[in-house]
Amino acid sequence: AQSVTQLDSQVPVFEEAPVELRCNYSSSVSVYLFWYVQYPNQGLQLLLKYLSGSTLVKGINGFEAEFNKSQTSFHLRKPSVHISDTAEYFCAVIATGGGNKLTFGTGTQLKVEL
Amino acid sequence: ETGVTQSPTHLIKTRGQQVTLRCSSQSGHNTVSWYQQALGQGPQFIFQYYREEENGRGNFPPRFSGLQFPNYSSELNVNALELDDSALYLCASSLLSEETQYFGPGTRLLVL
Repeated sequence: AQSVTQLDSQVPVFEEAPVELRCNYSSSVSVYLFWYVQYPNQGLQLLLKYLSGSTLVKGINGFEAEFNKSQTSFHLRKPSVHISDTAEYFCAVIATGGGNKLTFGTGTQLKVEL
Repeated sequence: ETGVTQSPTHLIKTRGQQVTLRCSSQSGHNTVSWYQQALGQGPQFIFQYYREEENGRGNFPPRFSGLQFPNYSSELNVNALELDDSALYLCASSLLSEETQYFGPGTRLLVL
């Protein structure tokens, strides 16, 4: 079984400042990792994913994340945020080799202020 | 390329009633997964369908059931609705051979 921990329920940040949203996971098997974004009253949009290869992955809207196997982390970063980045961000994992369900964290609300 | 669509967008039911939610997969996808997202929580896996058969189930009671049709669209049925069933229900489509799931906009269900 897998579990995902997003320790920060809310992260306030000023526009143009950098941001990091933290994600840690636990699993007895290898996993693939994802970040999804949810804008108010909408579904989930895939930001980026780590399947294999380079541990630094780049996604849409200027976001990137780094997979750290030893620390079982997959933190999301953006060097300069915009008001439009205000949303809920979810980290998720799925077991490799045929896993069929995504296990999500509880989400981090990013609030970008002027 | 058409994305994942869901209907209806919103629904209000009373306790004890039954509800059917619908999902159309993204073009070319053969697998549909359903998730329940309670307010302030992350999505929880309900079940997945592949080739019209259930292909895995989360920790949900049997009153949550589903169907997948030959065109890969899907339905989620919930019987004997309870107040705690109030949530956003998300459908995601994918290829069984691939790990990435693409989500629809969701159906928001309110049980009174």
